[in-house]
Amino acid sequence: GDSVTQMEGPVTLSEEAFLTINCTYTATGYPSLFWYVQYPGEGLQLLLKATKADDKGSNKGFEATYRKETTSFHLEKGSVQVSDSAVYFCALRLSNTGKLIFGQGTTLQVKP
Amino acid sequence: NAGVMQNPRHLVRRRGQEARLRCSPMKGHSHVYWYRQLPEEGLKFMVYLQKENIIDESGMPKERFSAEFPKEGPSILRIQQVVRGDSAAYFCASSLRGYQETQYFGPGTRLLVL
Repeated sequence: GDSVTQMEGPVTLSEEAFLTINCTYTATGYPSLFWYVQYPGEGLQLLLKATKADDKGSNKGFEATYRKETTSFHLEKGSVQVSDSAVYFCALRLSNTGKLIFGQGTTLQVKP
Repeated sequence: NAGVMQNPRHLVRRRGQEARLRCSPMKGHSHVYWYRQLPEEGLKFMVYLQKENIIDESGMPKERFSAEFPKEGPSILRIQQVVRGDSAAYFCASSLRGYQETQYFGPGTRLLVL
């Protein structure tokens, strides 16, 4: 079935370090791909998205590229800040449905 | 411009009671989605509703759970005869015109069943 797999956390980095959170997916057809971020006690906020192969989504210094050949959508940021500490969810949506399918989430902790 | 609102934010119920969770979508949004987040897990889709219609309920448990989105008022997720396994965070999302548009999430309702 359709699914999303993320690298396990928690991920602990020092401020200004480079971030990569891996995400791979299994899906029929051509899904849209998303990264959402969840801060403690809050709901999910859309971070970025890509709707077709080779698209790059970017926002607030984060970016991810839709790689159809490797079925991946890895999240990267060149220099993380303490305020980036949160849980990051990768998700897909199939073209004929409103259902988002989420990965299990990756907790990021950035230390000063 | 208010975002998606959910209430209550926290709800405590004893086994066997009913839980009612409310979701008010963003202004002008007519599509609502419900997701459940069990402890240490990602979000799982439950149901997708448009005003007065259930579009996709493939993620809803077969028993005790129901959802509605009336012409007027908020969307309601209703859980009858709650059990401890229903303890979770329930998130509502809304989109403007259809399922291909971005879903905006509310802050969630944390349900604890004693």
